[in-house]
Parts: sequence; structure tokens; C-alpha cells
Amino acid sequence: GAGVSQTPSNKVTEKGKYVELRCDPISGHTALYWYRQSLGQGPEFLIYFQGTGAADDSGLPNDRFFAVRPEGSVSTLKIQRTERGDSAVYLCASSLTGGRWETQYFGPGTRLLVL
Amino acid sequence: GQQVMQIPQYQHVQEGEDFTTYCNSSTTLSNIQWYKQRPGGHPVFLIQLVKSGEVKKQKRLTFQFGEAKKNSSLHITATQTTDVGTYFCAGDAGNNRKLIWGLGTSLAVNP
Repeated sequence: GAGVSQTPSNKVTEKGKYVELRCDPISGHTALYWYRQSLGQGPEFLIYFQGTGAADDSGLPNDRFFAVRPEGSVSTLKIQRTERGDSAVYLCASSLTGGRWETQYFGPGTRLLVL
Repeated sequence: GQQVMQIPQYQHVQEGEDFTTYCNSSTTLSNIQWYKQRPGGHPVFLIQLVKSGEVKKQKRLTFQFGEAKKNSSLHITATQTTDVGTYFCAGDAGNNRKLIWGLGTSLAVNP
């Protein structure tokens, strides 16, 4: 595709519910990153995929957060038992090969609000 | 753990004035990247600096990487209203792809 796309653009849910956020990277990009950005903060790294495998998931805050990328393209970030503190913009980025100093291209983000 | 700090947090200038934001890391960085995020938008990559003491220019924007590779700056000459947004620096300290981001500097420009 022309750029990284994310769906939904906005998600409102209730505390305790389960949500899935989807990311479609730029076609042909093998590396995919998830970040979380709270109001007034910089993006916070969550997880990085190289192909289908999670190469670094050290940023996932706890075991309620999980991400998959089964075919090495689209990725889904899954949040179980959502809490109000999970409210943030979830950003996805992709890069061509995941090379060390490669440019990361960001999607528009999913704005998650947990009531 | 590694931290990246940015100052100032906010800057309000008159159109035509210069603007500078500074980025400092608690650890030596292998590279530093700068991004711009417009209000309501997502981060857009501006530039990457890799070498110690490196200086790069993009039109009115000048980027510097310190000799010790622990600090960086972005300078905008003669700001325009299109420069409005938050400027983030993000650094990579190791062999991973995990970028550590500063809190950003929000720039407002009065026409």
C-alpha cells in the first residue's frame, strides 16, 4: 500500500473488555513496530517484529498485551481486560528490512479510550 | 535504563524568529533520529544522524549530533507557521531497533 494503515482510527471500550488493533504495513516491509503514545508524551516502544516473529517484546507493559503477525504482513495488537490507563494512541510503524538505522514509517494511529 | 530528555518542552515564537530544541541522552547513542508530529497527526521522520559531530541541513533546518554522541539539536531558522508541531528526538543505544523517545518540544508560531 501507499503507507501504513491502522484500523480502527478510534476505539472506545469499557474497562475489562478485550480489544484488537490492526496494522497494515507498507507492502514489502519486513519489520513492524508498535508504539504507544500518551497525551503529551513521546511514543513508547512496545514490540518489534521481524517477519512473523517478535524480535523484541520488551516494551509490552504486562501480560494483558499481546501482538501477532502470523503471515509477516498485517499485525494485530491485542489487549485483554482493558484498564483506563491503557487509554492512548497506539502507533504502528514499518521499515523495509529492519536494518539498524532504517527509517520507520508511521501509520495514523488508533486512538483507544477505555471508560 | 536509558533516558532521552528534551528541552524546552514548549516554545512560542513570532514568525521569522529562530527556534532550537535540544536532546540529551543518559547513554551514548549509536544514532539519533528526529521526527515532527503535527497536532492530531503521527510522527514523520525528518532525519537520522549517525556520526560523532555530524551536522546535516534540510533547507531552514539544521541538525547536529554531539561529539560524544549523547546530545543533539535541531535549529530552525526564520520559523514559518508551517513549522508548527512537536519535534521529537529518538535514540538507539544498542544493536536493537528499540527507539527511546524524548518527550518532544512543542513549537507554536505566531503569524
